[in-house]
Amino acid sequence: EPEVTQTPSHQVTQMGQEVILRCVPISNHLYFYWYRQILGQKVEFLVSFYNNEISEKSEIFDDQFSVERPDGSNFTLKIRSTKLEDSAMYFCASSDNRFETYEQYFGPGTRLTVT
Amino acid sequence: RKEVEQDPGPFNVPEGATVAFNCTYSNSASQSFFWYRQDCRKEPKLLMSVYSSGNEDGRFTAQLNRASQYISLLIRDSKLSDSATYLCVVALGGATNKLIFGTGTLLAVQP
Repeated sequence: EPEVTQTPSHQVTQMGQEVILRCVPISNHLYFYWYRQILGQKVEFLVSFYNNEISEKSEIFDDQFSVERPDGSNFTLKIRSTKLEDSAMYFCASSDNRFETYEQYFGPGTRLTVT
Repeated sequence: RKEVEQDPGPFNVPEGATVAFNCTYSNSASQSFFWYRQDCRKEPKLLMSVYSSGNEDGRFTAQLNRASQYISLLIRDSKLSDSATYLCVVALGGATNKLIFGTGTLLAVQP
C-alpha cells in the first residue's frame, strides 16, 4: 500500500538555525499539505500546495516558513530561523482530490525539538 | 465557539463494549467529514469518511447530521487494539480542502 514518508524522524536544532523537513507524498497524489501538532494539542493546518504553488496558508505559516517541491517527488518545509515555540511534530499529508475523493493520508511525522 | 468540538474523555470501557463518540462543528459550509485515529505520538490515520447517509466499516459506524452539525462514531465489540485517540475532522472543501481537527477523544479499552 502506498504511503507518505518523512525524514528525518527526529530533528534537534538550536534556536535561530534553519531546518528543512522532507516528505515524499503518495506518487499519484496532486495536493500536498503540512500540519503541525504541539505536544498535548490538536493537529493544526500550516499550508497546502498544488500545481507548484501555495494554495492556502494559515496564520502560523509566516515569513519564516517556506515550502517547495524541488524535484517532482520531494515536498519540503523550511523554517528559516527556528524559535523555541516551533518545537512540535510536523506531519506531511497528501491527497488525490480527483473524483471527489478528499481523503488526506499522513506521513509518520518529524519531531522537531528547538533548544 | 470551537471549530470542531469533541469530548476529550477518557472513555474507559471493557473489551466487548459498544462505545459512541460525538462531535459538533461550527461552520455550516463544511463539505467533508472524517474520523481519524491517532496512537500516542504517531500520525493521524484515516479511519473513515463520513457521509450523510451514514456508513459502516466492520465494527465502526459513522453518522453525519448536517442540520445539527453533528458527527458520531460508534465502535461495537471493542478490542484492546482500539485504544487510541479518535479525531473528528472536517474540511471546508474548495481548492485546498484543509482539514480542521478536533482535540480528540481518548479511548482506553480495558481487558
